[in-house]
Amino acid sequence: DTEVTQTPKHLVMGMTNKKSLKCEQHMGHRAMYWYKQKAKKPPELMFVYSYEKLSINESVPSRFSPECPNSSLLNLHLHALQPEDSALYLCASSQDWLGIQETQYFGPGTRLLVL
Amino acid sequence: AQKVTQAQTEISVVEKEDVTLDCVYETRDTTYYLFWYKQPPSGELVFLIRRNSFDEQNEISGRYSWNFQKSTSSFNFTITASQVVDSAVYFCALSEDKAGGTSYGKLTFGQGTILTVHP
Repeated sequence: DTEVTQTPKHLVMGMTNKKSLKCEQHMGHRAMYWYKQKAKKPPELMFVYSYEKLSINESVPSRFSPECPNSSLLNLHLHALQPEDSALYLCASSQDWLGIQETQYFGPGTRLLVL
Repeated sequence: AQKVTQAQTEISVVEKEDVTLDCVYETRDTTYYLFWYKQPPSGELVFLIRRNSFDEQNEISGRYSWNFQKSTSSFNFTITASQVVDSAVYFCALSEDKAGGTSYGKLTFGQGTILTVHP
């Protein structure tokens, strides 16, 4: 069962709000990813967690704060976002990232609008 | 640096036509992985296929087929007898082997090809 779930599906927030995006997988994957996707563009990698430790931060602004509470959950905490941060945020997971490059399975995404 | 080029920005076909989506990649690594993903309007990226650089066998899965040619650095995707449900954005992606590559766990995506299948 290749399923990654994300909540909420849609989120509207003001620039002073604090919100969180949630991602969950039950495939036993040990790597989890956050991507940002603007309209008509490919996904851009933001963060990678491997075995619950942050492995890659693609120079993402500090207003985005990832958290991996356990091997099945991945959060993205949002604070003081800008309108240009409006995008589709995709979560993905893969197995055995420390070895060969395994397939990343994506969730349905959260469509974020910052006003 | 690795790069993926999908030269076709948009393709429009009529149902039951065959359509080929092109993907050309660049990498300095000898071991790498190629992927195709489908993104329908709902937004989720759906995994279609993964191919290792040392396996040049073509693959067929129902109406879908993939032609991998290392000599031309291409990994093209053909849909036979297209259907309206095939309408989506299709992304080709490349990842280098962790041991030899300078990027770890990173997918390099092409710009995507928007496929519209008309009834």
